[in-house]
Amino acid sequence: QKEVEQNSGPLSVPEGAIASLNCTYSDRGSQSFFWYRQYSGKSPELIMSIYSNGDKEDGRFTAQLNKASQYVSLLIRDSQPSDSATYLCAVNEGYSTLTFGKGTMLLVSP
Amino acid sequence: KAGVTQTPRYLIKTRGQQVTLSCSPISGHRSVSWYQQTPGQGLQFLFEYFSETQRNKGNFPGRFSGRQFSNSRSEMNVSTLELGDSALYLCASSNPSEGAYEQYFGPGTRLTVT
Repeated sequence: QKEVEQNSGPLSVPEGAIASLNCTYSDRGSQSFFWYRQYSGKSPELIMSIYSNGDKEDGRFTAQLNKASQYVSLLIRDSQPSDSATYLCAVNEGYSTLTFGKGTMLLVSP
Repeated sequence: KAGVTQTPRYLIKTRGQQVTLSCSPISGHRSVSWYQQTPGQGLQFLFEYFSETQRNKGNFPGRFSGRQFSNSRSEMNVSTLELGDSALYLCASSNPSEGAYEQYFGPGTRLTVT
């Protein structure tokens, strides 16, 4: 059984701080990794994808991948109250099949 | 470009009934994946279709089935509904033939079984 693990949180950060979200996965052969944001009552929204070891930056978001440690992270700089949501880590398991973690709830306080 | 659309958005059904949910992918996307989301189990993969062929199936009973049409639109069917089938059903589309594995979700269908 392939697994994706995330701390359920909530992770509370003040406005303007850096939020750090972490994820580990069990399948060493996984090649594609994704972060989704899900607001309460809404569907998941893709915010980052990463395929290679290292960092990938997009605006205030940075995804980090370490395949040797089977670890993916998401950094959100200058966190805003509108970033308060559940962040889902997903790993592609072949074809278009994603295995999701249970998600980390992020709360950004003004 | 229009996003993924799902119909209906909300459904209330009774135990034992069956239900059909519909998904229209982003134009040009040939892969449609279906997921079930519940508070206890999170997001779980149901099945994936590409060019009308089911390529992968998750660990769900045979009551859950699906199909894809030549225009890439997809339907999923749940027969003999159980209370535990109450969930948010999400479809996602992607275009893996271009080497892009990003999946984009529709708004979901909220199914309540009473």
